Amino acid sequence: QKEVEQNSGPLSVPEGAIASLNCTYSDRGSQSFFWYRQYSGKSPELIMFIYSNGDKEDGRFTAQLNKASQYVSLLIRDSQPSDSATYLCAVKNTGGFKTIFGAGTRLFVKA
Amino acid sequence: SQTIHQWPATLVQPVGSPLSLECTVEGTSNPNLYWYRQAAGRGLQLLFYSVGIGQISSEVPQNLSASRPQDRQFILSSKKLLLSDSGFYLCAWGHPLLSASSYEQYFGPGTRLTVT
Repeated sequence: QKEVEQNSGPLSVPEGAIASLNCTYSDRGSQSFFWYRQYSGKSPELIMFIYSNGDKEDGRFTAQLNKASQYVSLLIRDSQPSDSATYLCAVKNTGGFKTIFGAGTRLFVKA
Repeated sequence: SQTIHQWPATLVQPVGSPLSLECTVEGTSNPNLYWYRQAAGRGLQLLFYSVGIGQISSEVPQNLSASRPQDRQFILSSKKLLLSDSGFYLCAWGHPLLSASSYEQYFGPGTRLTVT
């Protein structure tokens, strides 16, 4: 079983729609959860992090965490073509300094 | 503010040649430093991490090595490159004092290595 799992996609949504990206993790004791955006050929950039159950909003982005279900998601409201990228879910493991990354979900926003 | 640099940006090396990639961080002290590799169309594979000068933890046994000769300098090396070493090499930094609960990491621009 992979430690951090994401649907590879591609996920295609029309411009202005809500994009929903999902991620599950295996380590029940994981503490912190991150979403990174990676444009083709570029390095990942941090969008949001969350560590408490519930929702965290930042502009058009909302991260949702459910530790009981070991599930974290990212919602992108009013999706724009510039949001087209690969979104990486990452989980900080219990103790230590390592972060485990999922393989990413490719998102296409159609104009 | 903090900045992370990596060089070179791209590199084409023959099989069996040595490798040295450098990463430096500005604007912070005692960062945690990380080397990742991303193969084409794949996720990030953690190679090494360091929590201090001279302290290196290896995650994947292979022909790569890492060193941290100075607080904000992290070097990835190989004595003899393999074809399978091709990929996008990313350096990242983090700091537990950035955020009490999160340990987020910030990535450099990366080095794209092609072994021919």
